[in-house]
Amino acid sequence: DQQVKQNSPSLSVQEGRISILNCDYTNSMFDYFLWYKKYPAEGPTFLISISSIKDKNEDGRFTVFLNKSAKHLSLHIVPSQPGDSAVYFCAASDGTGANSKLTFGKGITLSVRP
Amino acid sequence: KAGVTQTPRYLIKTRGQQVTLSCSPISGHRSVSWYQQTPGQGLQFLFEYFSETQRNKGNFPGRFSGRQFSNSRSEMNVSTLELGDSALYLCASSLRGATYEQYFGPGTRLTVT
Repeated sequence: DQQVKQNSPSLSVQEGRISILNCDYTNSMFDYFLWYKKYPAEGPTFLISISSIKDKNEDGRFTVFLNKSAKHLSLHIVPSQPGDSAVYFCAASDGTGANSKLTFGKGITLSVRP
Repeated sequence: KAGVTQTPRYLIKTRGQQVTLSCSPISGHRSVSWYQQTPGQGLQFLFEYFSETQRNKGNFPGRFSGRQFSNSRSEMNVSTLELGDSALYLCASSLRGATYEQYFGPGTRLTVT
């Protein structure tokens, strides 16, 4: 049972426009959400996170929105740049206890066209 | 500060063999987690070690095991390799634990033939 879903496998946008990457989750115990970016032949790198007590977190060109009632979060990249072309993973945390872990989605491949 | 390093970067093994992968975390990080990435499956959590103790384990068979040393370096072992074990194995370290921001290594690409 996939608890973190990134239903669109790929997204293509024009340079300078907004990229919106979506993520849905099913586990209501998730309380912390993160986005990672991965280039080929490299490990994922942390991008931005949001706690369940917030509905928005912004860091430069990246903003993450959380809609708890819909169990949905999205990552907005404005403006999109060719260097943003990568695979983006959404991840969710089920707490901070000893048995807690991150659950990742399958990823979305973003292509930014020059 | 040096990042997370993993060795080897590439490995080819035969079915039935065993393999050991190594991970050196960022200095000061006591949490090390391992993930398996296969095409179309995202990152699947294997286990987390914190201060030499396994804190959590994912849904993988007992053929997958790991350990952490006093200097926080970690090893992952897979015994009796199967073709389906071919994957990218990623190690991540964290200051606070696996549910917070983690820093990933470049991964070890394992191919089982």
